[in-house]
Amino acid sequence: DQQVKQNSPSLSVQEGRISILNCDYTNSMFDYFLWYKKYPAEGPTFLISISSIKDKNEDGRFTVFLNKSAKHLSLHIVPSQPGDSAVYFCAASAGNMLTFGGGTRLMVKP
Amino acid sequence: KAGVTQTPRYLIKTRGQQVTLSCSPISGHRSVSWYQQTPGQGLQFLFEYFSETQRNKGNFPGRFSGRQFSNSRSEMNVSTLELGDSALYLCASSLDPGSGYTFGSGTRLTVV
Repeated sequence: DQQVKQNSPSLSVQEGRISILNCDYTNSMFDYFLWYKKYPAEGPTFLISISSIKDKNEDGRFTVFLNKSAKHLSLHIVPSQPGDSAVYFCAASAGNMLTFGGGTRLMVKP
Repeated sequence: KAGVTQTPRYLIKTRGQQVTLSCSPISGHRSVSWYQQTPGQGLQFLFEYFSETQRNKGNFPGRFSGRQFSNSRSEMNVSTLELGDSALYLCASSLDPGSGYTFGSGTRLTVV
């Protein structure tokens, strides 16, 4: 039972354009949602989070949108840069544990 | 400030052996959690400790155990290693969920 899903295993965008990564969840008890960036053989790096009582949070080039009625969140990266190329994980928090999606590999082409 | 430190970075063990991995959280972080990453199962929650008490446990067999010391450092132990235990084991520390969990670089365990 996958409570957090990232349905797109990969995404390719041109440098300077917007990257939109999507995530769906099923558990209404999640109280925070987080996005992480990960390189192989390294730990995930925290990017941005959003509380379940909010619908938008912005930090520099990164914006996370939460649609609770659709149980959907998305990460927008504007403008995308080649250094953003990595695997992005969506995670949901409940009871001091994180449930991760399967990840989306983002490739930003120069 | 220093990040989350995991030791060792790499480990090779034989089936049937046991292994202990160590994690030092960010200073002031009292919550420490462990995750396993494998190609087939992705990132999965193992357990979480706060003030030396296990608060949550994921769906892993009893061969996987952990503990937390009074200085918040944590260890996890895997006994009777199986080939399927080969994975990247990640430790994360946190002040609170909203501020994010900071992960260490992980310990790459290979069971042969």
